[in-house]
Amino acid sequence: GAGVSQSPSNKVTEKGKDVELRCDPISGHTALYWYRQSLGQGLEFLIYFQGNSAPDKSGLPSDRFSAERTGGSVSTLTIQRTQQEDSAVYLCASSLVSLTGELFFGEGSRLTVL
Amino acid sequence: QKEVEQNSGPLSVPEGAIASLNCTYSDRGSQSFFWYRQYSGKSPELIMSIYSNGDKEDGRFTAQLNKASQYVSLLIRDSQPSDSATYLCAVNIGGGSQGNLIFGKGTKLSVKP
Repeated sequence: GAGVSQSPSNKVTEKGKDVELRCDPISGHTALYWYRQSLGQGLEFLIYFQGNSAPDKSGLPSDRFSAERTGGSVSTLTIQRTQQEDSAVYLCASSLVSLTGELFFGEGSRLTVL
Repeated sequence: QKEVEQNSGPLSVPEGAIASLNCTYSDRGSQSFFWYRQYSGKSPELIMSIYSNGDKEDGRFTAQLNKASQYVSLLIRDSQPSDSATYLCAVNIGGGSQGNLIFGKGTKLSVKP
């Protein structure tokens, strides 16, 4: 596709359920980022993937959060046993060249935990 | 702790005026700097990047960088109501952590007709 694609665009779940959020980066982009943005707040870094290198997981807020990137392309962010404080917009971004700062963002997945 | 600081605003300017958005950063070794625009309910989009001291102009937008003062700014000339958005400053800090990129919390700009 022409841009970064994220799904689902909206997800409502019950507390304690697991959720999976998907990101399909721009073709050929080697770097992939996940951020979280709560209402009215800034971007919170979660995780960064670059090619086949080990991901930078330093931003994951707890061990309930995990992410993988298969084949250097599609990434899935998984949140286990969701809590109400997990409610936010989860943004994925990709970059053609790693570590440059020129990111292209998807439209985000809005997660609401009831 | 490497930080990027922005005034949260809101910054309100009348239509046609110059809007000046400011950002300071703590890591003196930072080499590249970015401005992202985020409309309400939308995702951020890159509007300017700057890598060397001085000014960089793109249409109505001018990015200014002063590495000695660790200061980067974005000027928007002839501001339009469509410029109303939150502007995020981002700094490439090097070193590999967080994908090298630190975002400020953003300045909300409101352009009044």
